[in-house]
Amino acid sequence: IAGITQAPTSQILAAGRRMTLRCTQDMRHNAMYWYRQDLGLGLRLIHYSNTAGTTGKGEVPDGYSVSRANTDDFPLTLASAVPSQTSVYFCASSDSSTGTEAFFGQGTRLTVV
Amino acid sequence: GQSLEQPSEVTAVEGAIVQINCTYQTSGFYGLSWYQQHDGGAPTFLSYNALDGLEETGRFSSFLSRSDSYGYLLLQELQMKDSASYFCAVRISNSGYALNFGKGTSLLVTP
Repeated sequence: IAGITQAPTSQILAAGRRMTLRCTQDMRHNAMYWYRQDLGLGLRLIHYSNTAGTTGKGEVPDGYSVSRANTDDFPLTLASAVPSQTSVYFCASSDSSTGTEAFFGQGTRLTVV
Repeated sequence: GQSLEQPSEVTAVEGAIVQINCTYQTSGFYGLSWYQQHDGGAPTFLSYNALDGLEETGRFSSFLSRSDSYGYLLLQELQMKDSASYFCAVRISNSGYALNFGKGTSLLVTP
Protein backbone atom coordinates (compact mmCIF):
# COMPACT_ATOMS: atom_id res chain seq x y z
CA ILE A 1 0.00 0.00 0.00
CA ALA A 2 1.52 3.30 -1.08
CA GLY A 3 1.91 5.97 1.51
CA ILE A 4 3.92 7.06 4.51
CA THR A 5 5.05 4.74 7.26
CA GLN A 6 6.06 6.04 10.65
CA ALA A 7 7.69 4.08 13.45
CA PRO A 8 7.20 3.58 16.27
CA THR A 9 3.48 4.24 16.64
CA SER A 10 3.96 5.14 20.26
CA GLN A 11 6.82 5.42 22.71
CA ILE A 12 7.44 6.33 26.32
CA LEU A 13 10.88 7.86 26.68
CA ALA A 14 12.90 8.89 29.70
CA ALA A 15 13.99 12.50 29.76
CA GLY A 16 17.54 12.96 28.55
CA ARG A 17 17.43 9.97 26.22
CA ARG A 18 18.05 10.16 22.49
CA MET A 19 15.30 9.02 20.16
CA THR A 20 14.86 8.78 16.40
CA LEU A 21 11.43 8.74 14.84
CA ARG A 22 11.42 7.01 11.50
CA CYS A 23 9.51 8.05 8.41
CA THR A 24 9.50 6.34 5.03
CA GLN A 25 7.46 7.13 1.94
CA ASP A 26 7.07 5.15 -1.26
CA MET A 27 5.42 7.80 -3.40
CA ARG A 28 8.73 9.29 -4.62
CA HIS A 29 7.71 12.70 -3.35
CA ASN A 30 10.47 15.29 -3.31
CA ALA A 31 9.22 17.20 -0.29
CA MET A 32 8.86 15.84 3.23
CA TYR A 33 7.93 17.40 6.56
CA TRP A 34 7.74 16.80 10.28
CA TYR A 35 4.95 18.32 12.33
CA ARG A 36 4.07 18.08 15.98
CA GLN A 37 0.51 18.30 17.15
CA ASP A 38 -0.45 19.47 20.61
CA LEU A 39 -3.95 20.05 21.95
CA GLY A 40 -5.11 23.54 21.15
CA LEU A 41 -2.05 24.38 19.08
CA GLY A 42 -2.78 22.56 15.87
CA LEU A 43 0.00 21.26 13.65
CA ARG A 44 3.33 23.04 13.89
CA LEU A 45 6.18 22.53 11.45
CA ILE A 46 9.42 21.26 12.98
CA HIS A 47 11.63 20.69 9.94
CA TYR A 48 11.15 20.22 6.24
CA SER A 49 13.06 18.96 3.23
CA ASN A 50 12.29 20.07 -0.31
CA THR A 51 14.56 17.48 -1.89
CA ALA A 52 17.04 14.80 -0.88
CA GLY A 53 20.16 16.35 0.60
CA THR A 54 18.50 19.56 1.79
CA THR A 55 16.63 20.42 4.98
CA GLY A 56 15.20 23.53 6.57
CA LYS A 57 13.91 24.70 9.91
CA GLY A 58 10.25 25.19 10.59
CA GLU A 59 8.42 27.00 13.34
CA VAL A 60 9.60 24.85 16.27
CA PRO A 61 12.98 23.28 15.39
CA ASP A 62 14.77 23.54 18.73
CA GLY A 63 15.74 20.19 20.21
CA TYR A 64 15.17 18.35 16.93
CA SER A 65 17.35 17.43 13.97
CA VAL A 66 16.62 15.78 10.64
CA SER A 67 18.49 14.29 7.73
CA ARG A 68 17.48 13.48 4.17
CA ALA A 69 20.01 11.08 2.75
CA ASN A 70 17.61 9.79 0.08
CA THR A 71 14.17 10.50 -1.33
CA ASP A 72 12.28 7.97 0.75
CA ASP A 73 13.50 8.47 4.32
CA PHE A 74 13.24 11.46 6.62
CA PRO A 75 14.14 10.57 10.23
CA LEU A 76 13.58 13.00 13.09
CA THR A 77 15.99 12.86 16.03
CA LEU A 78 15.52 14.17 19.54
CA ALA A 79 19.06 14.47 20.87
CA SER A 80 18.11 14.74 24.53
CA ALA A 81 14.39 14.47 25.13
CA VAL A 82 12.55 16.82 27.47
CA PRO A 83 8.97 16.56 28.79
CA SER A 84 7.85 19.49 26.59
CA GLN A 85 8.53 17.28 23.59
CA THR A 86 5.63 15.06 24.60
CA SER A 87 3.40 15.27 21.56
CA VAL A 88 2.04 13.47 18.54
CA TYR A 89 4.48 13.66 15.64
CA PHE A 90 3.34 13.48 12.05
CA CYS A 91 5.52 12.97 9.02
CA ALA A 92 4.15 14.15 5.69
CA SER A 93 5.17 14.38 2.06
CA SER A 94 4.06 16.14 -1.08
CA ASP A 95 4.86 16.17 -4.77
CA SER A 96 6.89 19.31 -5.39
CA SER A 97 5.58 19.56 -8.96
CA THR A 98 2.16 20.45 -7.56
CA GLY A 99 2.61 20.83 -3.83
CA THR A 100 -1.13 21.14 -3.36
CA GLU A 101 -1.75 17.95 -1.37
CA ALA A 102 0.24 16.69 1.57
CA PHE A 103 0.03 13.04 2.60
CA PHE A 104 0.44 12.24 6.28
CA GLY A 105 1.64 9.21 8.15
CA GLN A 106 -0.40 7.81 11.03
CA GLY A 107 1.69 9.58 13.62
CA THR A 108 3.96 8.70 16.52
CA ARG A 109 2.65 9.38 20.00
CA LEU A 110 5.65 10.25 22.16
CA THR A 111 5.58 10.68 25.91
CA VAL A 112 8.70 11.99 27.63
CA VAL A 113 8.77 11.32 31.36
CA GLY B 1 4.59 36.43 9.68
CA GLN B 2 1.65 34.25 8.90
CA SER B 3 -1.54 33.62 10.81
CA LEU B 4 -4.74 31.71 10.21
CA GLU B 5 -7.89 32.15 12.23
CA GLN B 6 -10.74 29.68 12.37
CA PRO B 7 -13.40 28.95 14.98
CA SER B 8 -12.38 26.43 17.60
CA GLU B 9 -15.66 24.55 17.73
CA VAL B 10 -18.81 24.15 15.67
CA THR B 11 -21.86 21.99 16.40
CA ALA B 12 -24.45 21.05 13.80
CA VAL B 13 -27.28 18.59 13.35
CA GLU B 14 -27.15 15.56 11.10
CA GLY B 15 -28.43 16.41 7.64
CA ALA B 16 -27.76 20.12 8.04
CA ILE B 17 -25.23 22.40 6.35
CA VAL B 18 -22.26 23.90 8.17
CA GLN B 19 -19.71 26.49 7.12
CA ILE B 20 -16.24 26.71 8.67
CA ASN B 21 -14.54 30.03 8.06
CA CYS B 22 -10.85 30.77 7.79
CA THR B 23 -9.13 34.13 7.57
CA TYR B 24 -5.44 34.32 6.88
CA GLN B 25 -2.53 36.72 6.81
CA THR B 26 0.44 35.75 4.71
CA SER B 27 2.96 37.14 2.28
CA GLY B 28 3.25 35.28 -0.98
CA PHE B 29 -0.10 33.54 -1.18
CA TYR B 30 -0.12 30.20 -3.00
CA GLY B 31 -3.58 28.94 -2.21
CA LEU B 32 -5.73 27.76 0.69
CA SER B 33 -6.04 24.11 1.60
CA TRP B 34 -8.38 22.21 3.89
CA TYR B 35 -7.66 19.04 5.83
CA GLN B 36 -9.83 16.73 7.90
CA GLN B 37 -8.63 14.83 10.93
CA HIS B 38 -10.60 12.29 12.93
CA ASP B 39 -9.66 11.67 16.54
CA GLY B 40 -6.52 9.57 16.70
CA GLY B 41 -6.05 9.70 12.96
CA ALA B 42 -3.88 11.44 10.42
CA PRO B 43 -4.87 14.64 8.65
CA THR B 44 -6.24 13.98 5.18
CA PHE B 45 -6.52 16.40 2.30
CA LEU B 46 -9.97 17.71 1.40
CA SER B 47 -9.57 20.59 -1.01
CA TYR B 48 -7.37 23.32 -2.42
CA ASN B 49 -8.29 26.74 -3.78
CA ALA B 50 -5.72 28.76 -5.71
CA LEU B 51 -8.20 31.12 -7.36
CA ASP B 52 -11.28 32.95 -6.16
CA GLY B 53 -14.51 31.07 -6.20
CA LEU B 54 -16.12 27.84 -5.17
CA GLU B 55 -14.68 24.35 -5.62
CA GLU B 56 -17.11 21.48 -5.14
CA THR B 57 -16.23 17.90 -4.31
CA GLY B 58 -19.28 15.85 -3.46
CA ARG B 59 -20.81 17.02 -0.20
CA PHE B 60 -17.86 19.30 0.51
CA SER B 61 -17.20 22.67 -1.10
CA SER B 62 -14.48 25.22 -0.48
CA PHE B 63 -14.51 28.91 -1.25
CA LEU B 64 -11.76 31.48 -1.55
CA SER B 65 -11.71 35.26 -1.74
CA ARG B 66 -8.14 36.44 -2.12
CA SER B 67 -9.07 40.11 -1.83
CA ASP B 68 -10.61 39.43 1.59
CA SER B 69 -7.94 36.89 2.66
CA TYR B 70 -10.84 34.64 3.50
CA GLY B 71 -12.08 31.19 2.72
CA TYR B 72 -14.55 28.69 4.00
CA LEU B 73 -15.31 25.00 3.92
CA LEU B 74 -18.94 24.08 3.39
CA LEU B 75 -20.19 20.67 4.42
CA GLN B 76 -23.63 19.67 3.22
CA GLU B 77 -25.94 16.81 4.22
CA LEU B 78 -23.95 16.34 7.38
CA GLN B 79 -23.35 12.81 8.56
CA MET B 80 -22.20 11.57 11.95
CA LYS B 81 -18.90 10.51 10.39
CA ASP B 82 -18.18 14.17 9.56
CA SER B 83 -17.49 14.77 13.24
CA ALA B 84 -13.80 15.62 13.11
CA SER B 85 -11.36 18.51 13.21
CA TYR B 86 -10.95 20.65 10.12
CA PHE B 87 -7.83 22.67 9.40
CA CYS B 88 -7.21 25.41 6.89
CA ALA B 89 -3.64 25.82 5.70
CA VAL B 90 -1.47 28.05 3.54
CA ARG B 91 2.00 27.48 2.17
CA ILE B 92 4.76 28.90 4.34
CA SER B 93 6.73 31.59 2.55
CA ASN B 94 10.34 30.67 1.80
CA SER B 95 9.85 27.08 2.98
CA GLY B 96 9.19 25.33 -0.28
CA TYR B 97 5.90 23.54 -0.04
CA ALA B 98 5.52 23.24 3.73
CA LEU B 99 2.13 24.23 5.08
CA ASN B 100 1.18 26.46 7.98
CA PHE B 101 -2.01 25.18 9.59
CA GLY B 102 -4.69 26.95 11.52
CA LYS B 103 -5.42 25.62 15.00
CA GLY B 104 -8.38 23.67 13.70
CA THR B 105 -12.13 23.64 14.08
CA SER B 106 -13.69 20.76 15.97
CA LEU B 107 -17.00 19.85 14.32
CA LEU B 108 -19.52 17.87 16.32
CA VAL B 109 -22.46 16.44 14.39
CA THR B 110 -25.40 15.55 16.61
CA PRO B 111 -28.39 13.33 15.82
